[in-house]
Amino acid sequence: AQTVTQSQPEMSVQEAETVTLSCTYDTSESNYYLFWYKQPPSRQMILVIRQEAYKQQNATENRFSVNFQKAAKSFSLKISDSQLGDTAMYFCAFMYRNSGNTPLVFGKGTRLSVIA
Amino acid sequence: NAGVTQTPKFQVLKTGQSMTLQCAQDMNHNSMYWYRQDPGMGLRLIYYSASEGTTDKGEVPNGYNVSRLNKREFSLRLESAAPSQTSVYFCASSVGLAGLSTDTQYFGPGTRLTVL
Repeated sequence: AQTVTQSQPEMSVQEAETVTLSCTYDTSESNYYLFWYKQPPSRQMILVIRQEAYKQQNATENRFSVNFQKAAKSFSLKISDSQLGDTAMYFCAFMYRNSGNTPLVFGKGTRLSVIA
Repeated sequence: NAGVTQTPKFQVLKTGQSMTLQCAQDMNHNSMYWYRQDPGMGLRLIYYSASEGTTDKGEVPNGYNVSRLNKREFSLRLESAAPSQTSVYFCASSVGLAGLSTDTQYFGPGTRLTVL
């Protein structure tokens, strides 16, 4: 079974600074997706960024980028120019890709606080 | 498009009572999911439906039943609620077609359930 580990329960960063959230996963599969979801106080789960395992290039979405190290099974999220609105829980998630569809396996989350 | 909607947003039950959580999506997605979120545990899969007419158990199915009523709707039923089922419940959906290169899950706003 796949497992996802987020080793930082809480982090804080000053506004406009850069922060990196860590995620490691364990799988024997070679074909999969990785995701970062953001959950603000409103509780809504919002997709931040997605990485397909067969792609070597790291995904980027505006201020958000990942460092995907497939051999090390590591998938960290970097937030640049942090904003107060980035304050949220961040969840790393894994999805095995096969001919059908499989659910997400989530880590326990990292609570990020952006400080003015 | 409303995306994924869930009703109710909040519910308080007494031990032994039953209730059904409703979920609907208007994105013509094939796959739908039910997760629960407990403090410090991240999101865990209860049941999912890869396509209309099929359902499968997830990581924590005990005490729950599901119905994929049609392509749009996927309900979660608690037959005899227990305090251990106090949680936030999320419904999600994804396109779920075989062969797609991307398959992001989109989440509803959640239902906060308290069982006394």
